[in-house]
Amino acid sequence: DAGVIQSPRHEVTEMGQEVTLRCKPISGHNSLFWYRQTMMRGLELLIYFNNNVPIDDSGMPEDRFSAKMPNASFSTLKIQPSEPRDSAVYFCASSFGNTIYFGEGSWLTVV
Amino acid sequence: GENVEQHPSTLSVQEGDSAVIKCTYSDSASNYFPWYKQELGKRPQLIIDIRSNVGEKKDQRIAVTLNKTAKHFSLHITETQPEDSAVYFCAASSRGGTSYGKLTFGQGTILTVHP
Repeated sequence: DAGVIQSPRHEVTEMGQEVTLRCKPISGHNSLFWYRQTMMRGLELLIYFNNNVPIDDSGMPEDRFSAKMPNASFSTLKIQPSEPRDSAVYFCASSFGNTIYFGEGSWLTVV
Repeated sequence: GENVEQHPSTLSVQEGDSAVIKCTYSDSASNYFPWYKQELGKRPQLIIDIRSNVGEKKDQRIAVTLNKTAKHFSLHITETQPEDSAVYFCAASSRGGTSYGKLTFGQGTILTVHP
């Protein structure tokens, strides 16, 4: 299996622009997680899905952030409008059972 | 919700020495405790995990211990090598009910192994 696939790997955007991050989980995995990593706050869980249904979005920082999972093989995390403080690495991860596997991450810089 | 505290935040050892990283958790319902290693610019990768029905688990130079009563668990790396240098994260989750394996991570430990 190719593992969890994320795109884009790197993105630099201007403040106010919309950002869409994409994730393809490992085939057969039924849980999908979006994490954000920064030096200040470490690894934060933003939202997670089980069987394509959002279970807990309490980590989503504000209404500018939204996530969808239209089917078992695809999820998006959208930031609109983006702000410089959104600059971070965004990891998508998936699991079937306890073990969670991370994607390579999307490195976002908002200038 | 679950809260995981990890110590120390940085750890520097000489090659060949042992390294120990400790974590505590708050939710007594947590029953799964993985450890992840993250090299610079890379994704976190699982290196070892332990479930609450086991007190200790070993995999070559790595071992993890769990004390359910005290709600703490530790990572032990023996005979450290420079390639062990990375950030290590502990995590805790409870499976069952509506938790679906949600992991809460500790703050991370930067381990540096000097040749």
